[in-house]
Amino acid sequence: DTAVSQTPKYLVTQMGNDKSIKCEQNLGHDTMYWYKQDSKKFLKIMFSYNNKELIINETVPNRFSPKSPDKAHLNLHINSLELGDSAVYFCASSHQDRLYYNEQFFGPGTRLTVL
Amino acid sequence: AQSVTQLGSHVSVSEGALVLLRCNYSSSVPPYLFWYVQYPNQGLQLLLKYTTGATLVKGINGFEAEFKKSETSFHLTKPSAHMSDAAEYFCAVSRYGNNRLAFGKGNQVVVIP
Repeated sequence: DTAVSQTPKYLVTQMGNDKSIKCEQNLGHDTMYWYKQDSKKFLKIMFSYNNKELIINETVPNRFSPKSPDKAHLNLHINSLELGDSAVYFCASSHQDRLYYNEQFFGPGTRLTVL
Repeated sequence: AQSVTQLGSHVSVSEGALVLLRCNYSSSVPPYLFWYVQYPNQGLQLLLKYTTGATLVKGINGFEAEFKKSETSFHLTKPSAHMSDAAEYFCAVSRYGNNRLAFGKGNQVVVIP
């Protein structure tokens, strides 16, 4: 059973296009995250939602817009894609309750290539 | 704010030799510490974690790490490297009341036959 799943796994698109990445978790967690991993493997937090409420909103271009229809889903929509958006995007989830120590579970990633 | 330092982005180790990856953290309150592994073209998988209690923690695939508060360290070791250990390893820190995981820059481990 897949715990955190993302679609699509690969996404190749032209500059200027709009695209979305979907994430779903079946772990019963209440908090979900989006990370960006650059070509040097550095992981940067972008957003986090707790029970559909935005709780972390890092300094990312406003072309990036997360949406959480329910606590099991967190989607990422990107407008007007640029070359610099090429990266691997990871979704993750966790329990916010302190008993779970913020252990995060990661999805398999979506490799976005902007041409 | 918490932060993590991992030195040496690339680590080469001979098959059968000791694997040692160093992690030093900065946190003003008791930390929660994690090691994650990322195999090629995959997501991050938890290797082990320290939250409270015993400072030597054992994880999957024969890895272990020791929390040393006096040295603000959480180094990862494995006595004997296997070819399947070739991957990227990330140390991360969090704390009570904070959703953020602060990641180090990662170590790419190469295992030499």
